[in-house]
Amino acid sequence: GAVVSQHPSRVICKSGTSVKIECRSLDFQATTMFWYRQFPKQSLMLMATSNEGSKATYEQGVEKDKFLINHASLTLSTLTVTSAHPEDSSFYICSADLAGTPYEQYFGPGTRLTVT
Amino acid sequence: AQKITQTQPGMFVQEKEAVTLDCTYDTSDPSYGLFWYKQPSSGEMIFLIYQGSYDQQNATEGRYSLNFQKARKSANLVISASQLGDSAMYFCAMSDTGGFKTIFGAGTRLFVKA
Repeated sequence: GAVVSQHPSRVICKSGTSVKIECRSLDFQATTMFWYRQFPKQSLMLMATSNEGSKATYEQGVEKDKFLINHASLTLSTLTVTSAHPEDSSFYICSADLAGTPYEQYFGPGTRLTVT
Repeated sequence: AQKITQTQPGMFVQEKEAVTLDCTYDTSDPSYGLFWYKQPSSGEMIFLIYQGSYDQQNATEGRYSLNFQKARKSANLVISASQLGDSAMYFCAMSDTGGFKTIFGAGTRLFVKA
């Protein structure tokens, strides 16, 4: 089946620094990737939709200057949390849309970000 | 606007018994997809089952079946013969026309008792 990886799986950073999270589709090309955020014991909230070669579409309330998304290739999307603060601490999950199979998304294993 | 509702924050089931996790949805789109995902404590989202809005038959995948009642806008997950490894969070989700923008319900935590 389709595999999506995320790196790193866990990261701890100091307040004010930036952190980059990578999302890769390992065995398929993903024209669209999605970034979600999940607070403890809560559901997944879509942050943005990332299309290869174009600007990401952000959901209402998500600061695009704080959460920079780059979808440089059909297999890689990155999320950079800029000037991180403790309230940015969360579980970030990406998913990739397998071209030609509508409605199916394949999720990465997630990245747990802790900002101290 | 689309909405997914899971009203059971937590459920208990005895090992080897069946359990139903409830999910209702709301959408004005005639075409949509419904999903169930399992999220164990490790955090990864595991796809369980998919039901298309135009599918005539209820989806089944091994021990998982989706009880799709379109008129009632419900898409309940039935897990048969529960196993200890089924203990996890379960999320119901819906994708809009074209398969983009999946929204998730609040989730149901399932506890399987030995």
